[in-house]
Amino acid sequence: GQNIDQPTEMTATEGAIVQINCTYQTSGFNGLFWYQQHAGEAPTFLSYNVLDGLEEKGRFSSFLSRSKGYSYLLLKELQMKDSASYLCAVMDSNYQLIWGAGTKLIIKP
Amino acid sequence: IAGITQAPTSQILAAGRRMTLRCTQDMRHNAMYWYRQDLGLGLRLIHYSNTAGTTGKGEVPDGYSVSRANTDDFPLTLASAVPSQTSVYFCASSDGEVSTDTQYFGPGTRLTVL
Repeated sequence: GQNIDQPTEMTATEGAIVQINCTYQTSGFNGLFWYQQHAGEAPTFLSYNVLDGLEEKGRFSSFLSRSKGYSYLLLKELQMKDSASYLCAVMDSNYQLIWGAGTKLIIKP
Repeated sequence: IAGITQAPTSQILAAGRRMTLRCTQDMRHNAMYWYRQDLGLGLRLIHYSNTAGTTGKGEVPDGYSVSRANTDDFPLTLASAVPSQTSVYFCASSDGEVSTDTQYFGPGTRLTVL
């Protein structure tokens, strides 16, 4: 079966750095997405990786290793507004997104 | 402002009733999707449409139907609601037919079936 694993919850301190990991087993691979979802709101796009390596976008970076079925989202200089759930999703061979359950990130002052 | 709208925002429904959730996008995106989101589970695809006039089944299609008469609208119908369909429903769209493009989400509909 297809599976996306990410930690259920993480806690970090304002101003610090946090890394959210995602491992996947899917039938085929056409890219990996990270989305941010604040409580009670819709998911919003953060990043897309299809090749191995690091993609940097401001305070957020995303890394992919296809051979290891592994990705991480790195958030730097954490702000209170970064408190949200972070969703990892993989596009499979049918071009459908398979979603992880999300990682709830709690930022403490 | 361009985007996706969903209606209603929330709804409480008696089991056995028929309900249509509405979704409209003004981005002229080809592909549209319906997901449900339940606590502790990832988003699960219900139905999708790669282009107007075509639809397909996702991971959890049973009890739901969709239509795609035009580019902008993609309604989701529950023919006879059951309590297990209590969930938050998100509509999304992307601009490719078979695409690795980014999906953009509507604000969601919170549905409770009693």
